[in-house]
Amino acid sequence: EAQVTQNPRYLITVTGKKLTVTCSQNMNHEYMSWYRQDPGLGLRQIYYSMNVEVTDKGDVPEGYKVSRKEKRNFPLILESPSPNQTSLYFCASSLVWRGPLGGYTFGSGTRLTVV
Amino acid sequence: SQQGEEDPQALSIQEGENATMNCSYKTSINNLQWYRQNSGRGLVHLILIRSNEREKHSGRLRVTLDTSKKSSSLLITASRAADTASYFCATPGGAGSYQLTFGKGTKLSVIP
Repeated sequence: EAQVTQNPRYLITVTGKKLTVTCSQNMNHEYMSWYRQDPGLGLRQIYYSMNVEVTDKGDVPEGYKVSRKEKRNFPLILESPSPNQTSLYFCASSLVWRGPLGGYTFGSGTRLTVV
Repeated sequence: SQQGEEDPQALSIQEGENATMNCSYKTSINNLQWYRQNSGRGLVHLILIRSNEREKHSGRLRVTLDTSKKSSSLLITASRAADTASYFCATPGGAGSYQLTFGKGTKLSVIP
């Protein structure tokens, strides 16, 4: 089944403790992206990647890191999480980032709480 | 940077009625996409309409695009309780941008 898999689904952590949220897609998509969703603010893009070893900042990149060493994986790293990073995170992928080939496929989300 | 803005923010209708949601955007686009999100879940792509298209259908969904007014509408006909969800429009960023920007969504409640 074609899908984007995020792990973990839920995570509670303490301020300052490094964590990684994994994202993997099995559709050979070039484009991958991370979003965070907050009440009243909607979905905001954190980082995106056009292909292996090609990443760029979205609208809210502060406090996050990403890497794209393999086409299928795009982990999101929080080096020193803070409470304002408590949010619902989504990974998404697309065959061609703005092509007419079906839009984006989203993962199921990771609900992160930083205390 | 918020590109699309949906209207209304919330909509409550009876099962069987039609639901119409609108999206306005600011800059020129080459396509506009609509997504659905059930509470707390991932977004699901519904339909993509290109800038040279005026209307597109998919099952009970009908999307229109008016590039002169920079607006789009999503019509769900004969709504069902299972259509209860938030609906988002999304547009690629402007020239030189590689971002897909989402509006804040319309929360649709379909009452059985």
